[in-house]
Amino acid sequence: GAVVSQHPSWVICKSGTSVKIECRSLDFQATTMFWYRQFPKQSLMLMATSNEGSKATYEQGVEKDKFLINHASLTLSTLTVTSAHPEDSSFYICSAHTALHLTVAKNIQYFGAGTRLSVL
Amino acid sequence: AQSVTQPDIHITVSEGASLELRCNYSYGATPYLFWYVQSPGQGLQLLLKYFSGDTLVQGIKGFEAEFKRSQSSFNLRKPSVHWSDAAEYFCAVGPLFSGGYNKLIFGAGTRLAVHP
Repeated sequence: GAVVSQHPSWVICKSGTSVKIECRSLDFQATTMFWYRQFPKQSLMLMATSNEGSKATYEQGVEKDKFLINHASLTLSTLTVTSAHPEDSSFYICSAHTALHLTVAKNIQYFGAGTRLSVL
Repeated sequence: AQSVTQPDIHITVSEGASLELRCNYSYGATPYLFWYVQSPGQGLQLLLKYFSGDTLVQGIKGFEAEFKRSQSSFNLRKPSVHWSDAAEYFCAVGPLFSGGYNKLIFGAGTRLAVHP
């Protein structure tokens, strides 16, 4: 159990276009989802956190109008990079956390496989 | 302030040798501690966790870690490394209650290379 699916795994887009990344919890209900950004050979940088049905909370320095997060259901969160530019090229990873599931351990973040975004 | 330090950025070991990856943390209470592993171009996989109880915890893939409160450490160990263990390893501590959310703080990571 506790599988998180992230799609797409790799996307290439032109500068100025928008890209949507999906994060799904496949076998549990994720009360909270996290979005991270990872630069090459660096650690994860938390971008934002969201609960289902609520507005996301963004970390300091992250532009909320640039990185739109929607957490419409307990199994799906999306990150939309609007008007992407080459400096937005990065590896984006989501994780999911549950406070509900009986068999999926709480207080653990389960990670997707990540999405590599390349903006030309 | 809460923080996680992984002193070793890069470690190289020979296949079959033992391994210890260091992790030190700063946290105001009893922490939850985690080790995650990341293969190139992949997400993070949970190796093991410590919440309470026995301070020596066993994880997947033959890894174990020991929580030492007096040293604020949670070092990861494996008695015999396999070539497939080459990856990036992240130590994390939580929970960090911020903005109503239960967050993790990640260390900078240790990149493990394994020589045949």
